[in-house]
This record gives sequence, structure tokens and C-alpha cells, in this order.
Amino acid sequence: DTAVSQTPKYLVTQMGNDKSIKCEQNLGHDTMYWYKQDSKKFLKIMFSYNNKELIINETVPNRFSPKSPDKAHLNLHINSLELGDSAVYFCASSLGTGQYFGPGTRLLVL
Amino acid sequence: GENVEQHPSTLSVQEGDSAVIKCTYSDSASNYFPWYKQELGKRPQLIIDIRSNVGEKKDQRIAVTLNKTAKHFSLHITETQPEDSAVYFCAASRRTGGFKTIFGAGTRLFVKA
Repeated sequence: DTAVSQTPKYLVTQMGNDKSIKCEQNLGHDTMYWYKQDSKKFLKIMFSYNNKELIINETVPNRFSPKSPDKAHLNLHINSLELGDSAVYFCASSLGTGQYFGPGTRLLVL
Repeated sequence: GENVEQHPSTLSVQEGDSAVIKCTYSDSASNYFPWYKQELGKRPQLIIDIRSNVGEKKDQRIAVTLNKTAKHFSLHITETQPEDSAVYFCAASRRTGGFKTIFGAGTRLFVKA
């Protein structure tokens, strides 16, 4: 299946923990993104990598650190999780224009 | 800063009627305008897009229009069906290495059978 995939699909964790979300695309795209979608459904760009280089880094706490080992992967590590981090995190990829989104990771911080 | 305003936030129409969603962008460097549909519990999916050198684009029951001077763009859905019910996002993009995309806040469309 050609797609953008994310793991895990659901993540329930305690405040203060550190967690990672992984994203992979096999579409041959050169740009990958992380978005946060809050409970009001607002989609906010967090990071973007083009050919493994960070090109967009919005106002995101330092606790969030993206890593792109190669063009097909973009992982997101979150340190010291807070209640406000609870959201759905979407990975996306593109080659030029329109973006293809992953299925999302539903993060709940207790 | 860069901003995309989207209206209305909620839209309810009768099956068979038309639905129109409007967006305004602030970044004059934006040159690509995609629309995404997100069904409940699913991922956003690209449904149609338009580039800044085009004023209108149509794909079956959906069409987009763009007024660059006014920085307005709109999505038109004709002959709506219950399966069109979803949240629709407009977005404005400009190239900065990759594409920096700013999303509107979304419109929740209900199509009543």
C-alpha cells in the first residue's frame, strides 16, 4: 500500500513522561510535516522537513523535537508531556503542492 | 502574521442544495490554495486545489474560485449528498523550500437527507 503511516495510532500516558511518534511515507515525497489538531479541530503546522532539512519550525515548545533520519521518515519526540499536549498529531508529506496526511496519532495525557 | 479566515464555521444544507465556503488569506506571497475534507475520526484528504494563475477550477460537483486581488477563494459544492457531510479546511500555501501551509479554522458541513 502506498501511503503515509504513523505509529502508534493511540497513545495514553502520564504527565511528565517522554514519548515518540513515528511517521513513514512511501510516496517518494521530499517534504514531510507534523501538524497538531486540537479539540476544536484547528490544524496547526509544527514542523516541516524538506530533503531531511528542517525548513519550518513554528512556535513550538522545546519539549518537541523532530528527527528525520531519511526523506521517508519523520519522527516526533516529546519530552515532559503536559496536559495541554493532548491532541491528534498528523504527519503529512508532499512533493510540491498538495499534502497527503497520515491517519493521525491520538495522544491523551493524564 | 499570516492568517487564513474561513466562513462559516458551521453550514447546514438540505440534500440537493448547494454549499459555499469562503476563505480570505493575508499573505500576498501565497500562490497555492488547496481544500481538504476531513470526515469524523479520519485524516484530512485533499479534494481540490487551485494555483494563483487560475481563477476557477471544477471537478464534478465541486469547484473553487480565486480572486487574487481581493485575496478571497471559495469552495462550491453542488447537488450536495449526505456523504458530503464533513469538516472542510481551506489553506493558503507558499513555497519556502517545501510549502508553508496555513489552514483555515474549518467549516463543519451537515447535509440533511
